[in-house]
Amino acid sequence: GQSLEQPSEVTAVEGAIVQINCTYQTSGFYGLSWYQQHDGGAPTFLSYNALDGLEETGRFSSFLSRSDSYGYLLLQELQMKDSASYFCAVSAGGGGGNKLTFGTGTQLKVEL
Amino acid sequence: EAQVTQNPRYLITVTGKKLTVTCSQNMNHEYMSWYRQDPGLGLRQIYYSMNVEVTDKGDVPEGYKVSRKEKRNFPLILESPSPNQTSLYFCASSSTQGRGTEAFFGQGTRLTVV
Repeated sequence: GQSLEQPSEVTAVEGAIVQINCTYQTSGFYGLSWYQQHDGGAPTFLSYNALDGLEETGRFSSFLSRSDSYGYLLLQELQMKDSASYFCAVSAGGGGGNKLTFGTGTQLKVEL
Repeated sequence: EAQVTQNPRYLITVTGKKLTVTCSQNMNHEYMSWYRQDPGLGLRQIYYSMNVEVTDKGDVPEGYKVSRKEKRNFPLILESPSPNQTSLYFCASSSTQGRGTEAFFGQGTRLTVV
């Protein structure tokens, strides 16, 4: 099976940079995704890494090290609207790479 | 507008009364799945479907059924709901054309079984 670990909660101030780490154990690994979920809302896709290295999309970047089974999401220039839960998810196993197994989520609180 | 639509958004039911939560997507996606979300446990996959008439168990399938008779629809059926199935449910879809493609989620169904 798959298992993922990420911190349960992170607090940062507006304008700062925050990094949310994710370690995973899995077989048949295809890639690591990140999703954002605001309270009561649907998860929304942020990024996907299949290869080692950094992927940048605006204020958000995601990193993967396949050899270390580790990845992180980097949020820069934090804004109040970034307060949400962030989930890492591995694509692995069944479903031809579409099967997502999610971590338990990191609640990010952005303060003034 | 590309979307995944779930109905109902909220449902309160009694133990043992069969119910169906519908899910429909308009993106012609092959892959569809159901998740439940419980505090501290993240999203756990219940069932998934690679295409029409192809379904398989996820990580927590007990007490649930699904069907995929049409590409756009993927209903979740609880034949005899129990209180431990009280949860927030999400349907999702994605294209199988390229791994790691974005999964689109419905707005969720908050189910309470009393």
